[in-house]
Amino acid sequence: KAGVTQTPRYLIKTRGQQVTLSCSPISGHRSVSWYQQTPGQGLQFLFEYFSETQRNKGNFPGRFSGRQFSNSRSEMNVSTLELGDSALYLCASSEKLAGAEELFFGEGSRLTVL
Amino acid sequence: KQEVTQIPAALSVPEGENLVLNCSFTDSAIYNLQWFRQDPGKGLTSLLLIQSSQREQTSGRLNASLDKSSGRSTLYIAASQPGDSATYLCAVSPLTGGGNKLTFGTGTQLKVEL
Repeated sequence: KAGVTQTPRYLIKTRGQQVTLSCSPISGHRSVSWYQQTPGQGLQFLFEYFSETQRNKGNFPGRFSGRQFSNSRSEMNVSTLELGDSALYLCASSEKLAGAEELFFGEGSRLTVL
Repeated sequence: KQEVTQIPAALSVPEGENLVLNCSFTDSAIYNLQWFRQDPGKGLTSLLLIQSSQREQTSGRLNASLDKSSGRSTLYIAASQPGDSATYLCAVSPLTGGGNKLTFGTGTQLKVEL
């Protein structure tokens, strides 16, 4: 069974640009959640999607958005990039929403904002 | 607001030593607690998942315990090996409404030396 796949793995953007990151969950998993990891703040929850609906949201500005498609693949978008958005963005999937199961993480997309 | 603390922040031990990593959380209303491992520049690998009704889980040389009432978990690693060198993270999921919205600790960076 293939794991969680995130693309691109690395990208460099400049301030003010926008970026879209993609996540393909493990086959059969319907929940996809996104996390931001920085040296200063650690791992922080961004949002979670289940069956194409956003079910939970973290404390991030509206510049951070996401969506989920009918095949459970998910994308997150960050508009008007700031230097502080430089981070490793991790996607995780699980079968259910309830939080009763293991989360499986992808390798992440490392975003550098110049 | 849930807060998760991990002590120590860093640990260096000789190969073969048994060691304990600590995790504490402020709100005992959790659904489960998970321990993850993260290698440099990589995503997270799930090690153990403990449901809130359980006291411990074991996988190979790893044993995790949970004392929900006191807000503590420990990860015991037996007979440590250089390949165990990584950052270890604990995370809790909320009891209600939070789905897979995990709150992570800041991690313990482990180095096992030959």
